[in-house]
Amino acid sequence: DSGVTQTPKHLITATGQRVTLRCSPRSGDLSVYWYQQSLDQGLQFLIQYYNGEERAKGNILERFSAQQFPDLHSELNLSSLELGDSALYFCASSVRGSDTIYFGEGSWLTVV
Amino acid sequence: AQRVTQPEKLLSVFKGAPVELKCNYSYSGSPELFWYVQYSRQRLQLLLRHISRESIKGFTADLNKGETSFHLKKPFAQEEDSAMYYCALTSNTGKLIFGQGTTLQVKP
Repeated sequence: DSGVTQTPKHLITATGQRVTLRCSPRSGDLSVYWYQQSLDQGLQFLIQYYNGEERAKGNILERFSAQQFPDLHSELNLSSLELGDSALYFCASSVRGSDTIYFGEGSWLTVV
Repeated sequence: AQRVTQPEKLLSVFKGAPVELKCNYSYSGSPELFWYVQYSRQRLQLLLRHISRESIKGFTADLNKGETSFHLKKPFAQEEDSAMYYCALTSNTGKLIFGQGTTLQVKP
């Protein structure tokens, strides 16, 4: 158990819908990361937050957004969902943002 | 540009055979390099980081700055080593940049 908690574990939704994925980092970790893992694209970095502020942005679509709250948990919002958004979404955290990163179990999103 | 390359999508070996999973990187500066392992689409687990120079589950990896490589090695593969292995480096903002991953299949 890495200490990073993600909910929900599985989610099935229809195209055009909106979902929110939630992540609680390890206790004491200030930095949160979101990654998307799909079969054809591998692991893609989406976005990083550090102590509530956006720190780095990767290949995140405009339909997606994220935030980190004062209690340091983070949410990834995915809207106008398309079939191609079906993937495993990982959250990860680290203490400062320049040290070892620990991953959660992931949220499986299936868009039908 | 910061990039991690794992040239092999699949590596298949027999139990007891040596394993080498290749990783090359491009990074300006001194990178921090990691190997993560993922069993059956579960969470990624840290296997090794180059600065700790340790051996986990019999795996080792040496950073070769001249060849910009960080290959993962194990002298005798076990069936339970079958998994997806990702090489990664930490960018200057702290985010991990992953290679495409190599599936290791250890046959009995």
